[in-house]
Amino acid sequence: GAVVSQHPSWVICKSGTSVKIECRSLDFQATTMFWYRQFPKQSLMLMATSNEGSKATYEQGVEKDKFLINHASLTLSTLTVTSAHPEDSSFYICSARQAGLYSNQPQHFGDGTRLSIL
Amino acid sequence: GDSVTQMEGPVTLSEEAFLTINCTYTATGYPSLFWYVQYPGEGLQLLLKATKADDKGSNKGFEATYRKETTSFHLEKGSVQVSDSAVYFCALSFLNQGGKLIFGQGTELSVKP
Repeated sequence: GAVVSQHPSWVICKSGTSVKIECRSLDFQATTMFWYRQFPKQSLMLMATSNEGSKATYEQGVEKDKFLINHASLTLSTLTVTSAHPEDSSFYICSARQAGLYSNQPQHFGDGTRLSIL
Repeated sequence: GDSVTQMEGPVTLSEEAFLTINCTYTATGYPSLFWYVQYPGEGLQLLLKATKADDKGSNKGFEATYRKETTSFHLEKGSVQVSDSAVYFCALSFLNQGGKLIFGQGTELSVKP
């Protein structure tokens, strides 16, 4: 149980295009989803927290207009990298936290999306 | 601020060796503690967790005990396998912060046959 599906797993596109990444919780409802960015051989950097039906909360230094997050349902959140440039190339990982009595439920992670901007 | 520090990698072991990956944390309060594992090209998988002092998390032969007095959560396994080769992340979170995870820098483990 607690499977999170992230799509696509790998995307290569030209500079200036926008890229949408989907994160779905397949067998549970996720009130909260998180988006992370990971550089090679480094830890995960939290970009934003999204709660279903409300605006995402972005971490300091993350451009809201660059990284658009939508969490329209309890099973789907999307991250759109707008007008992507080579410096946006990275591994993006989402996670989802189950709805439940205890707000400290563990997060379940997707397999990540490798984004390469040419 | 709250933070997690792990021992630097890479850690290289022979199969069946004993593994310890050190993790210490700095936090105001009593967080929940987690170990996650990341295999090459994949996302993270929860390995084990502990929510209060002296709790021991265990899974797949891995163990870690929440030590409040030393603010540590060291990961151990008695006999590693080649398939354990991965990057291991220690993390903490607080109930009142919506489950936001703070990760250590990760420790790469390489197990040789």
